[in-house]
Amino acid sequence: RKEVEQDPGPFNVPEGATVAFNCTYSNSASQSFFWYRQDCRKEPKLLMSVYSSGNEDGRFTAQLNRASQYISLLIRDSKLSDSATYLCVVNSGSSASKIIFGSGTRLSIRP
Amino acid sequence: DTGVSQDPRHKITKRGQNVTFRCDPISEHNRLYWYRQTLGQGPEFLTYFQNEAQLEKSRLLSDRFSAERPKGSFSTLEIQRTEQGDSAMYLCASTRGGLTYEQYFGPGTRLTVT
Repeated sequence: RKEVEQDPGPFNVPEGATVAFNCTYSNSASQSFFWYRQDCRKEPKLLMSVYSSGNEDGRFTAQLNRASQYISLLIRDSKLSDSATYLCVVNSGSSASKIIFGSGTRLSIRP
Repeated sequence: DTGVSQDPRHKITKRGQNVTFRCDPISEHNRLYWYRQTLGQGPEFLTYFQNEAQLEKSRLLSDRFSAERPKGSFSTLEIQRTEQGDSAMYLCASTRGGLTYEQYFGPGTRLTVT
């Protein structure tokens, strides 16, 4: 079983829609969680950290569910520029500094 | 530019040749990571350094791969006797350290083995 699993998508939604992704992780000792965004042929860039209490940044909301070992990302009022691959990232727990990426979820926003 | 830099950006080599990539992290960051990414996949962890110490290596990192960070600043990743399966994007990332794990990535080195 992979340490971090994501639905690869693609998610194809109209502009203005709300879309949500989930990501599951296998190591219950993991403590740090992030969402990264990666545009085609570009490097990943940090979108937001995910805190135990959840956090919101404009149209983006991230939640952590430790009991079920998943994190989620909600994008409201989606824009064409949100089209990208969204990567779920977790520290491995066995070594707090080892950072593991999921395979990513592709999102395509259509006009 | 004070971001993470990688050199070269592209490398084409013939099977069996050795290649070396360089990564310069953000100057005050003491952790440095190497990842490999192939099309349609997320970055796969290869190894990381805390200052000059290499603290963990993935099983993906066969004995043909070696990484160094001799003075705790820049790092090199060498692949010996390259194989076609080594073709990928090699990404470097750095973090400040301590309890901070937000990573900043370089633009990557795209390796093509013919």
